[in-house]
Amino acid sequence: NAGVTQTPKFQVLKTGQSMTLQCAQDMNHEYMSWYRQDPGMGLRLIHYSVGAGITDQGEVPNGYNVSRSTTEDFPLRLLSAAPSQTSVYFCASSGTEAYEQYFGPGTRLTVT
Amino acid sequence: AQKVTQAQTEISVVEKEDVTLDCVYETRDTTYYLFWYKQPPSGELVFLIRRNSFDEQNEISGRYSWNFQKSTSSFNFTITASQVVDSAVYFCALSEAFPGNQFYFGTGTSLTVIP
Repeated sequence: NAGVTQTPKFQVLKTGQSMTLQCAQDMNHEYMSWYRQDPGMGLRLIHYSVGAGITDQGEVPNGYNVSRSTTEDFPLRLLSAAPSQTSVYFCASSGTEAYEQYFGPGTRLTVT
Repeated sequence: AQKVTQAQTEISVVEKEDVTLDCVYETRDTTYYLFWYKQPPSGELVFLIRRNSFDEQNEISGRYSWNFQKSTSSFNFTITASQVVDSAVYFCALSEAFPGNQFYFGTGTSLTVIP
């Protein structure tokens, strides 16, 4: 099993550009989440999904969109990138049998 | 509201010393889960332990041990005989009873073990 995969690993965007961060898991997990990690602030939840077709907002959803058309994939879209979105983004998944979340390797995004 | 506080921002210890990382949480739920994750310099997040709110037994895994006390809303993590490989940022997290939903992370404690 690959676990949770994220692409790309690094990305530089200009202000106003849009892009999609990809996340996929092969563990048949129902629950998937997106977090951003900023220095001194821990991980903050952006959006999460409890199953295909169901998504909801977390603590810091503004400027991001998600959709979940399959169990495996949970892409995060930045609609119009801003310097405040410079961060490291982590995708995570968890199943119903165990409640811990398993994280992808992260995407380091810089918006100039 | 749920909240996790890790008051220790940075800790430095000399190799072979014991170190305790503090975690204090707030929740109104009667059923919840507590976690510790390790983030080494390479950046990935590694799951270490999960604890249910109804299980206050302490746990030991090798050099790692965890002390869960509901009376003080604390879930502290002790590394015995620290090693350089323990150098990392450690995060404590809380989740509600609904599995996989709404994790709340502390701001992390950066541990440096000096050889």
